[in-house]
Amino acid sequence: KNQVEQSPQSLIILEGKNCTLQCNYTVSPFSNLRWYKQDTGRGPVSLTIMTFSENTKSNGRYTATLDADTKQSSLHITASQLSDSASYICVVSDRGSTLGRLYFGRGTQLTVWP
Amino acid sequence: EADIYQTPRYLVIGTGKKITLECSQTMGHDKMYWYQQDPGMELHLIHYSYGVNSTEKGDLSSESTVSRIRTEHFPLTLESARPSHTSQYLCASSESDRDSGNTIYFGEGSWLTVV
Repeated sequence: KNQVEQSPQSLIILEGKNCTLQCNYTVSPFSNLRWYKQDTGRGPVSLTIMTFSENTKSNGRYTATLDADTKQSSLHITASQLSDSASYICVVSDRGSTLGRLYFGRGTQLTVWP
Repeated sequence: EADIYQTPRYLVIGTGKKITLECSQTMGHDKMYWYQQDPGMELHLIHYSYGVNSTEKGDLSSESTVSRIRTEHFPLTLESARPSHTSQYLCASSESDRDSGNTIYFGEGSWLTVV
């Protein structure tokens, strides 16, 4: 069964600190992996997209890594800010159809305290 | 910044009422989607469309219906709302080609409460 598991479920850090969020998936055949940021009550916003051949992708203070062999990805946030408080969602796409079926994780709820 | 818009953002309606959630995008995307998301849970695909006059049901069974008469417009309708329909509904769109690595743009969501 294709699944996307994220950990931790929730995380609290102090402003200025770094953190790493994890995503493990069993989706096959793999096409790409996306990280989204979803503020409370808002729609998800894309942070990164990585294909099979990409190991790392950065977007400002956000750096995503992908190990397609172990089917793991991480999202590293550097020098956290209060505005980073949000849910971070890992989304994996398969190559089984034109639609590019998406499998969503439940997200990691990050809270940044001053 | 994504040019995809949803209305209403928040709605409280009574059981049995008919409701249409509007979604419009100005990016010329062929693919559009409706997702349902309960608090703290993952998004579930309920409808999608490849283009005008193309609509398909998603993974999660839903009593809602959709239409795609124009490229930019993908409304979702509930003919008779029930409390079990209380949820957040997210509309999304993306470019249409074989490369599924295109960015998917989401609207801000519509929070529906049925009392």
